[in-house]
Amino acid sequence: DIQMTQSPSTLSASVGDRVTITCRASQRISNWLAWYQQKPGKAPKLLIYQASSLESGVPSRFSGSGSGTEFTLTISSLQPDDFATYYCQHYNSYSRTFGQGTKVEV
Amino acid sequence: EVQLLEWGGGLVQPGGSLRLSCEASGFTFSNYAMGWVRQAPGKGLEWVSSISYDGAVAYDADSVKGRFFSSRDNYKNTLFLQINNLRADDTALYYCAKISTVSANFDYWGQGTLVTVSS
Repeated sequence: DIQMTQSPSTLSASVGDRVTITCRASQRISNWLAWYQQKPGKAPKLLIYQASSLESGVPSRFSGSGSGTEFTLTISSLQPDDFATYYCQHYNSYSRTFGQGTKVEV
Repeated sequence: EVQLLEWGGGLVQPGGSLRLSCEASGFTFSNYAMGWVRQAPGKGLEWVSSISYDGAVAYDADSVKGRFFSSRDNYKNTLFLQINNLRADDTALYYCAKISTVSANFDYWGQGTLVTVSS
């Protein structure tokens, strides 16, 4: 089974900061990686798919990169609405695996 | 507007069963694969199951294989998750979600239905 490991688990940041979250896969997964944002009490929201493609309606300050086993989600200038937990997720035609999450807090 | 409304959760004893339902509206349900994702209280997301647009193929996480079964009724625009032989570690909020044909990921989610397994 493929394992997804995110770092850090918690990230303290301020409005305007550039924030980077890393996700590592236990084996090569090409670019089959997505990123989700979840706020407390809410369902997750898709931000990025295929490692670097921005989901429709998602602000351009969010970007994704990477391939193989190492991936990053970058928020270029953190906004108040961005304080949330972020999850990476590997996907293929028959399974999906989430990372453990990264909480971005003040 | 796409809407997904889950129901069927509740308190159940270990070893018990439940059938979760998810009614979809605002899109052509029969054209899209669907899935279930769960979240234990205070924990992260865990993929549970995905089912093809026509219900012909379903894939389940190893942690639920043989106990959980996805199905769908495209005439009633409803997705189901039959959950059997429940264990304490199945306690979670269960979300249903639509799978985008563009991204192959979950682009719309319901609000979730809570399953609590306890004696």
